[in-house]
Order: sequence, then C-alpha cells, then structure tokens
Amino acid sequence: EAGVTQSPTHLIKTRGQQATLRCSPISGHTSVYWYQQALGLGLQFLLWYDEGEERNRGNFPPRFSGRQFPNYSSELNVNALELEDSALYLCASNRDRANNEQFFGPGTRLTVL
Amino acid sequence: DAKTTQPPSMDCAEGRAANLPCNHSTISGNEYVYWYRQIHSQGPQYIIHGLKNNETNEMASLIITEDRKSSTLILPHATLRDTAVYYCIVRAHSSNTGKLIFGQGTTLQVKP
Repeated sequence: EAGVTQSPTHLIKTRGQQATLRCSPISGHTSVYWYQQALGLGLQFLLWYDEGEERNRGNFPPRFSGRQFPNYSSELNVNALELEDSALYLCASNRDRANNEQFFGPGTRLTVL
Repeated sequence: DAKTTQPPSMDCAEGRAANLPCNHSTISGNEYVYWYRQIHSQGPQYIIHGLKNNETNEMASLIITEDRKSSTLILPHATLRDTAVYYCIVRAHSSNTGKLIFGQGTTLQVKP
C-alpha cells in the first residue's frame, strides 16, 4: 500500500511570493491534515479537510489556505510568504474523522529567502 | 485535550529495553493515550494507542497506570534505528477538531 506522498520535496521562494504544496493521501483515506514544523516551534496543526470541506484550522493567518479535491488529494497555499514561514510542512491522512491514527507523509521543506 | 509531560531526553543501550514515561494527570474518561515518533527529518509515525488496558503490537508495548494519570511506552529491544523524538498525545477518540497536539516529546538516543 502506497503511503502519503507530498510534492515537491523542497521548495525555495522569496519573500512576498506564493507557495503551493501538494499532498496525496493513502488510497481510501478521506481526511487530510496539514501541519507546520518550524525550527524550535515543534509540530503545529494548520488545517483539516474531510470530504472536500475544511473542518478545522489552527492558529494561522488567512494567507495560509488550502483545498481538498474530489479524489481527496489536497493543496496548501501560502500567500505573501514571510521569512518565518520557512519550515517543514507535513501532510497526514486517515480513513475518517473517527480514526485517530494519522499517517504522515515525508513533508515539503519550504525555504523563504 | 489533556496536557502531557515527558522528559526532554533519554539514552538507552542498543538491545536493551527503552522505557519512555508520560504524565497526563488531567486525562478525562473518554481520552486515549497515543504515541508517535519522528525520526530525524521524516514525518511522524504512529506507534500505538490505548484507553486503560495495556496494549502491545509489533513495535512496542503501552502500559497505562490504573488511575490513567501516567503511561510508559516500552521498546523491548531498542536498536539504533529507534533513535527518534517520541511524542505522547492524549485526545478523545472521535475528536471533532481533527488535530493532534504535539508537545516537545522525548528525544531517545540509542547508543551502541
């Protein structure tokens, strides 16, 4: 069974630009979660999508947004990039909202210069 | 979700059992204890979870005290590949927030 995949592996942008990160969940999983892991700040919850709808978001500004497609894959968009957005962005999926075992992808390393 | 407390770091000799403690004194009746680990620069990996009974799988054992205020994750024969940050997370089984709240975790260093 293929795991959660994320692309790109690395992304380098400059301040003010926009970044788009992609995630494909495990086949059969309908929920997708996004987390940010910045240096020294630990893993912070960003967004949760289930059945195409945004179900919850963490304490992040509106320039962090995303969507989930009919095939359950997901995109995370970060607008007006700031230096402190540099982080590892992790995507996770699970079968449904009642299942707490989240399966994580390898992450996208975003560097903002 | 209840708060958890873990030691920041621990060492373990290769081949020996690694016992990682977690305190969760404010845990409520419907909350489970979950353990994840994150090997350097990879995504976190689910290990095990339990409510009140001890649990065992191919990776580890989870021992939960009778009052449920603390638990211990046991890696029975630690290898160098078990070097990672281990996170203890407490949450309700069907949480309507979706999120996992990761604390600072315990950095386990397995030494040869």
